[in-house]
Amino acid sequence: DAGVIQSPRHEVTEMGQEVTLRCKPISGHDYLFWYRQTMMRGLELLIYFNNNVPIDDSGMPEDRFSAKMPNASFSTLKIQPSEPRDSAVYFCASSPTGSGSQYFGPGTRLLVL
Amino acid sequence: AQTVTQSQPEMSVQEAETVTLSCTYDTSESDYYLFWYKQPPSRQMILVIRQEAYKQQNATENRFSVNFQKAAKSFSLKISDSQLGDAAMYFCAYRSGYMNYGGSQGNLIFGKGTKLSVKP
Repeated sequence: DAGVIQSPRHEVTEMGQEVTLRCKPISGHDYLFWYRQTMMRGLELLIYFNNNVPIDDSGMPEDRFSAKMPNASFSTLKIQPSEPRDSAVYFCASSPTGSGSQYFGPGTRLLVL
Repeated sequence: AQTVTQSQPEMSVQEAETVTLSCTYDTSESDYYLFWYKQPPSRQMILVIRQEAYKQQNATENRFSVNFQKAAKSFSLKISDSQLGDAAMYFCAYRSGYMNYGGSQGNLIFGKGTKLSVKP
């Protein structure tokens, strides 16, 4: 079975540009999580969905960040406009109900110049 | 709020030897999960092992095992017969168990990690 798929794997953009990160969870998993990893703050949750519905978005830094899950097999995290401080590795993870375990994608390394 | 503490920023082990990574956590919940994740230089987060709080038996996965001390809120990872491929950052993580009952606590809370080096 394929794991969590994320695209792009690397993204370099200029300040002010829109960035869209994509995630395909493991089939059958009904929880999807977006995390961000930086040297300063470590791994932190941005938002998570259950059955395509956002449950907790308290970790979303500000209005420049938005996330959607239009169906069970696809989610996006959008940053508009991007800023240099958004540079980080963004992970998507999924989990089936009752499992407890979360399985991570390979991450997207974002660099905002 | 729950917290996870890894007090060893870096550890080193000789190939084929055994090493133990420490983790403590703080929670007032009785139903929860604990995890160890491995992050090699590729940045992929790999689930190594998990422990349900209600289970008294320590989890084991091949060369990896945990020492779960619920009363002490301690969750250490033991790596036996260390291999060069074990070199990575290791993160301890906590997750509330109440998610299974429709609660909102679904995310993992991570420690700051321990960087493990393996010497040939």
